Amino acid sequence: DGGITQSPKYLFRKEGQNVTLSCEQNLNHDAMYWYRQDPGQGLRLIYYSQIVNDFQKGDIAEGYSVSREKKESFPLTVTSAQKNPTAFYLCASSTHWGWTFGSGTRLTVV
Amino acid sequence: AQKITQTQPGMFVQEKEAVTLDCTYDTSDQSYGLFWYKQPSSGEMIFLIYQGSYDEQNATEGRYSLNFQKARKSANLVISASQLGDSAMYFCAMRDTKAAGNKLTFGGGTRVLVKP
Repeated sequence: DGGITQSPKYLFRKEGQNVTLSCEQNLNHDAMYWYRQDPGQGLRLIYYSQIVNDFQKGDIAEGYSVSREKKESFPLTVTSAQKNPTAFYLCASSTHWGWTFGSGTRLTVV
Repeated sequence: AQKITQTQPGMFVQEKEAVTLDCTYDTSDQSYGLFWYKQPSSGEMIFLIYQGSYDEQNATEGRYSLNFQKARKSANLVISASQLGDSAMYFCAMRDTKAAGNKLTFGGGTRVLVKP
């Protein structure tokens, strides 16, 4: 079945370390997105990509980086510059008509 | 910039009763789309219902219906005959169909707890 796979489901990181969250889709969608969700709050857009080798900053891009070398993959790196990285991260892909979300990665800084 | 407001942080509803979740939006665009998603405690986002800004009929999907009042810029979700499995966070979201990026903007969510 087609869908979005995010890995790992849980991730622990020491302060000062970079960490990369994986997002893979087999839906043949051109557009992909990364959202951040803090407890009890809505989703905020970090980065998005409409086509391979192109991406744009969302509302809260500081401290994050992405790449889009393949249509199927849109990894997110949380850098040491991100002051408060503990959160739930959701990846999504879309056509014009709708979005599909992954099951998320819960990142905790220890 | 687009903005979605959900004014109810949390609600209790009795099993088998209906519940209305409020959503208001702010946009200067004429063409847009409105979505409702359910997020259970596991974290995945489950699509519930969609309303296009030019749709004349209110959208319905099973027990979910959307009360779309364009002039008031509101898109309230009605869940009929609530079930225990409806306990979750619910998010209203809007798609900007004109801006580059086809982005989806979310409200802050409403937590629904269904009581037996």
